[in-house]
Amino acid sequence: EIVLTQSPGTLSLSPGERATLSCRASQSVSSNYLAWYQQKPGLAPRVLIYGATGRATGVPDRFSGSGSGTDFTLIISRLEPEDFAVYHCQQYGSSPYTFGQGTILEMK
Amino acid sequence: QVQLVQSGAEVKKPGASVRVSCKTSGFPFSKYYMHWVRQAPGQGLEWMGIINPGTDTTSYAQKFQGRVTMTRDTPTSTVYMQLSSLRSEDTAVYYCARDGAYREFDLWGQGTLVIVSS
Repeated sequence: EIVLTQSPGTLSLSPGERATLSCRASQSVSSNYLAWYQQKPGLAPRVLIYGATGRATGVPDRFSGSGSGTDFTLIISRLEPEDFAVYHCQQYGSSPYTFGQGTILEMK
Repeated sequence: QVQLVQSGAEVKKPGASVRVSCKTSGFPFSKYYMHWVRQAPGQGLEWMGIINPGTDTTSYAQKFQGRVTMTRDTPTSTVYMQLSSLRSEDTAVYYCARDGAYREFDLWGQGTLVIVSS
């Protein structure tokens, strides 16, 4: 099973700042099938990025994904107040599909 | 309207079983694989398995093999997840999620809280 490790565990930033979230896989992710999800308290996750770099429908262009193989990054270029949430990475290239433990993005 | 609507919260005793439903609407039921994912309180997301509603084939995470059963009812466009031999560690919010065009989980149900307590 592929283990995904997200860093940092918690990121404290202010609106307008740039956020960089990391996701490292224990082995190469097949076909770069790596997704990022945003989750707000009490709500289901929402997909932001698929295939490491593809932006999902309706996702603002301040969100971007990069990386390949075992190292992936989610960047939020200029934080808006609604971006403060938990972010999960997920690999769906090989079963079992696995998630990282999440990064909490909190307002400083 | 494209959506997934799940059944309500459940409280179960250890050793019992629970069945959670996920009613789909707004898209062709048989054309999209469906996943089940759970989230224990304050924890991350955990993938449980997948069902192909078109063929009724399933694949489960090894951790849940023997305890989980995923089924579908085509006339009502509903998928189900049954988990048996419940223990306190199964207390979690259970989500159904659609397998999207690029195999990402592009649509999620609202979640169903299952509490296992004596």
